[in-house]
Amino acid sequence: KQEVTQIPAALSVPEGENLVLNCSFTDSAIYNLQWFRQDPGKGLTSLLLIQSSQREQTSGRLNASLDKSSGRSTLYIAASQPGDSATYLCAAPLTTDSWGKLQFGAGTQVVVTP
Amino acid sequence: NAGVTQTPKFQVLKTGQSMTLQCAQDMNHNSMYWYRQDPGMGLRLIYYSASEGTTDKGEVPNGYNVSRLNKREFSLRLESAAPSQTSVYFCASSQDGSYEQYFGPGTRLTVT
Repeated sequence: KQEVTQIPAALSVPEGENLVLNCSFTDSAIYNLQWFRQDPGKGLTSLLLIQSSQREQTSGRLNASLDKSSGRSTLYIAASQPGDSATYLCAAPLTTDSWGKLQFGAGTQVVVTP
Repeated sequence: NAGVTQTPKFQVLKTGQSMTLQCAQDMNHNSMYWYRQDPGMGLRLIYYSASEGTTDKGEVPNGYNVSRLNKREFSLRLESAAPSQTSVYFCASSQDGSYEQYFGPGTRLTVT
């Protein structure tokens, strides 16, 4: 069964600094890995989905990389803004045959200070 | 499009009471999911439904039942609520062939 870990649990950076968020997973035979954003009291919003055949995926200031051999994914947010303050979660399929069923990390809570 | 909607937003129950959490999506997705989120534990899958008329257990199904009423609606029922079921419950849906899931705003449930 897939285990997903996110360290650190919380992170505070000054505005303008680049953010680096880490996600580790135990089963390297994953189909994909997703990054989500969650604002306080709200649901999750999908940010990026990286397929197993890809090494990275980009959307605006966000870039996510995937290294299956080391069991790691990293989300980079360039030039952070106070509006980037949220909890970021990564998720991978629960098992290799569990299409649609996701295993989530506990998340990294990010605060960007003005 | 409203996306995924959930009702109610908040609920307080006494131990032993029952209730049903409602979820609906207007994106014509076949697959729907129920998760619970507890502090420090991320989201855990309770049940999912790959299509209308089918349901299957996830990681933490004990104490819950589900109904896939039609393609749009997927409900979660607590027959006899327990304090351990205090949590935030999220419903999600996804399109066939896509791993990307769309989430509702959540229901915050407290069982006293």
